[in-house]
Amino acid sequence: DAGVIQSPRHEVTEMGQEVTLRCKPISGHNSLFWYRQTMMRGLELLIYFNNNVPIDDSGMPEDRFSAKMPNASFSTLKIQPSEPRDSAVYFCASTRGGKYETQYFGPGTRLLVL
Amino acid sequence: AQSVTQPDIHITVSEGASLELRCNYSYGATPYLFWYVQSPGQGLQLLLKYFSGDTLVQGIKGFEAEFKRSQSSFNLRKPSVHWSDAAEYFCAVYSSASKIIFGSGTRLSIRP
Repeated sequence: DAGVIQSPRHEVTEMGQEVTLRCKPISGHNSLFWYRQTMMRGLELLIYFNNNVPIDDSGMPEDRFSAKMPNASFSTLKIQPSEPRDSAVYFCASTRGGKYETQYFGPGTRLLVL
Repeated sequence: AQSVTQPDIHITVSEGASLELRCNYSYGATPYLFWYVQSPGQGLQLLLKYFSGDTLVQGIKGFEAEFKRSQSSFNLRKPSVHWSDAAEYFCAVYSSASKIIFGSGTRLSIRP
């Protein structure tokens, strides 16, 4: 079975550019999570979707960040405009049930904003 | 506010030795507790979880953890580590009233 798929795996961009990260959850899973991992702040939950609806976006750092889940098999995390402090590894995870179920993580997207 | 503390940033143990990674949480009610492992360049993988019931939880790869309410702890243990256990380990608390909170992680190195 395919796990959570994220693309791209690596992204290097210049400050001010728009960045779009993509995630395909495991088929049949109905909850999806976006995380950011940095050395300074560790692993932070950014946003959580259940049945394609955003349930908790309190972790989204600011208006430059937005996330969508147009259907059960696809989600995007967009940063516009990007800043060097956005450099991090961004993980997507999915669960079969709600947020208390086992989360299956994707391999992550390593983002570097110059 | 809910929080998770992993007091050890980095631990080195010899291959074959026993291991205990510490996790302390702060939460008023019974929390949902998890341990995840992250290998270099990879996402996190669930090792085990505690919701209720038996306070000693068995997980994958020979790991176990014990929930101790009196100490607000959920320490991860393994009787004999293997070189492949070298990774970063994260404790997490999922509470009904707040979002998921991860500890800062403990990096485990294995001495040959």
